[in-house]
This record gives sequence, structure tokens and C-alpha cells, in this order.
Amino acid sequence: AQSVTQPDIHITVSEGASLELRCNYSYGATPYLFWYVQSPGQGLQLLLKYFSGDTLVQGIKGFEAEFKRSQSSFNLRKPSVHWSDAAEYFCAVCGEYGNKLVFGAGTILRVKS
Amino acid sequence: DSGVTQTPKHLITATGQRVTLRCSPRSGDLSVYWYQQSLDQGLQFLIQYYNGEERAKGNILERFSAQQFPDLHSELNLSSLELGDSALYFCASSVTGYGTEAFFGQGTRLTVV
Repeated sequence: AQSVTQPDIHITVSEGASLELRCNYSYGATPYLFWYVQSPGQGLQLLLKYFSGDTLVQGIKGFEAEFKRSQSSFNLRKPSVHWSDAAEYFCAVCGEYGNKLVFGAGTILRVKS
Repeated sequence: DSGVTQTPKHLITATGQRVTLRCSPRSGDLSVYWYQQSLDQGLQFLIQYYNGEERAKGNILERFSAQQFPDLHSELNLSSLELGDSALYFCASSVTGYGTEAFFGQGTRLTVV
């Protein structure tokens, strides 16, 4: 069965500092991978996705993620965090037939000024 | 705004009652997904419909049912509600049901008292 692990429940970074959120997945074939962001009281917004090709993918709001098959990882990065990035971030992998999303538990990002 | 509309935004009801959550997908999207987000279970896939037919089923309780209508809107029916059903219920839609990005609605916050 597919699974996603986000090892960090909470992360606090200073505004302007770099960010890396970790994501490890378990999936038998080539995965479809996603990062979503959820602001308080809001829905889920897609930041970026990986289906195939270039392993470094660019997303919205200055985020990027790198797919590393050998490490079964898909970590999210941002070079300089803004206070508005404070939110909960979810990594997800597409299910067996490429339809349902399996989500990690989420990482809550706090940004301190 | 993702283009996916969910109503109502908030719902408070008593144990044992039945409620219906409604989802209007983005224009042109044929697939609708329902997810439940709770503190103890995280984000869990419930069920998917594609062009009116059930396509995939996840951890959906027998007390819950869903359908997709000819105009492609979907309803999630929750009956014999228990306190543990309190959660945020998300609807998402996509053009196809396979490996494409799902656009999420803002969710319906259900509180069972």
C-alpha cells in the first residue's frame, strides 16, 4: 500500500531563512507526487507536482521540490521564507491507479520575525 | 479560488442525525473526490466519482454514501452521525481521474454535538 511520511510535525524558521520540508513515500511503481498547502480555515492549494521528467520541479510562491528515487523522497524547499508562508504543508502520492491521493500527516510551518 | 464550490461551509448537528454535503466541481471536470480531514486520522480519501459512476472507494464508512448527478455535482450523505464524524470534509475535482491535479474546495466543517 502507498504511504507518505512527513517526519516533522512542526518546523519553525526565521523570516528570510531557507526552508526544507521532508517527505518520504512508499510506492511500488513510479509515483505521482504532490505538495499542497493549507492555510488556517482554508482549503488545500496545490504548490507543485511531479509526474515524470526533470526531478527538480518548480511550483508557485517560490517553492521547489526535488524527487530522489533512490531515497524515496520528495522534499520541498524555499530559499527565503516569508511570514505569509506560515501554514500546514502536505505531501501526497497518487494511488495505485493514479486517482486517489494518499497524504502525509502534514508539517506545520511557523515563521518567526 | 479553485473553482470547486462546497456548501455549506459550516454545519453543526446532533448525534444520530443525517446531513448532506454538496460539491460543485470546476467547469469541465468530470471527476469528484471526497476527503475527510480529522485530527486523529489526518486527510483520508473517502470516495471518487467519474462522470456519474463510482470509480474508487477508500475508508468510507457504511453510514456514509455519495453520488454524482448528471450535472456532475456531487453529494456526500452522512447518517447516524457520531461525535467522531466531526471533521473537515473536502471535495476535489479533476478533468480526468488519473494522475492529474486535483483542485480542492474550501471544505465543509462538520461539528457533531
